[in-house]
Amino acid sequence: DAGITQSPRHKVTETGTPVTLRCHQTENHRYMYWYRQDPGHGLRLIHYSYGVKDTDKGEVSDGYSVSRSKTEDFLLTLESATSSQTSVYFCAIRSETGLNTEAFFGQGTRLTVV
Amino acid sequence: GNSVTQMEGPVTLSEEAFLTINCTYTATGYPSLFWYVQYPGEGLQLLLKATKADDKGSNKGFEATYRKETTSFHLEKGSVQVSDSAVYFCALSASGGSYIPTFGRGTSLIVHP
Repeated sequence: DAGITQSPRHKVTETGTPVTLRCHQTENHRYMYWYRQDPGHGLRLIHYSYGVKDTDKGEVSDGYSVSRSKTEDFLLTLESATSSQTSVYFCAIRSETGLNTEAFFGQGTRLTVV
Repeated sequence: GNSVTQMEGPVTLSEEAFLTINCTYTATGYPSLFWYVQYPGEGLQLLLKATKADDKGSNKGFEATYRKETTSFHLEKGSVQVSDSAVYFCALSASGGSYIPTFGRGTSLIVHP
């Protein structure tokens, strides 16, 4: 158990509303990631963070923003949700001990935009 | 940039059959290679890894060998069980990509009794 908690686990929201997903870790890892998982696309990187207040865009960042004000929390915000953002969202942390660069994942948040 | 290509599924097998899921990669630098497994309704879990050429990762009867000459990391298991039914993801992490985990599209495995 890598100590990653995502909240909420499920959410249904209306088009045009803002939505914030939270990822909380207890391992004090520097690197955190947000992915979305869609059929036929696997996992695609939305945004990532390499430290407090240090974030960068991934391949599918349009329509999403992130914030990291504390090491343990990485927030993903959909400013104005659209139906194309219906997906399962996963947070991950990355180990950085020597050659151990594997990722550890949260349980996911299933978001439905209606 | 870095990328991972894995065979499309679903792969459907009978219990005790031999499993191979192909995975090839493109990477800048010297990647570490991983296989993750995802059971329904859950997040991804690390299944096995290899950090340098010719290394063999193994876990729970699954194996994969890091082949630098063919840029491949194929997943194998000699005798699958119904409980192995899941989605399998090949992935890499490389210095050339700031060690950002990069994933293939996943391969669904269905094992029938």
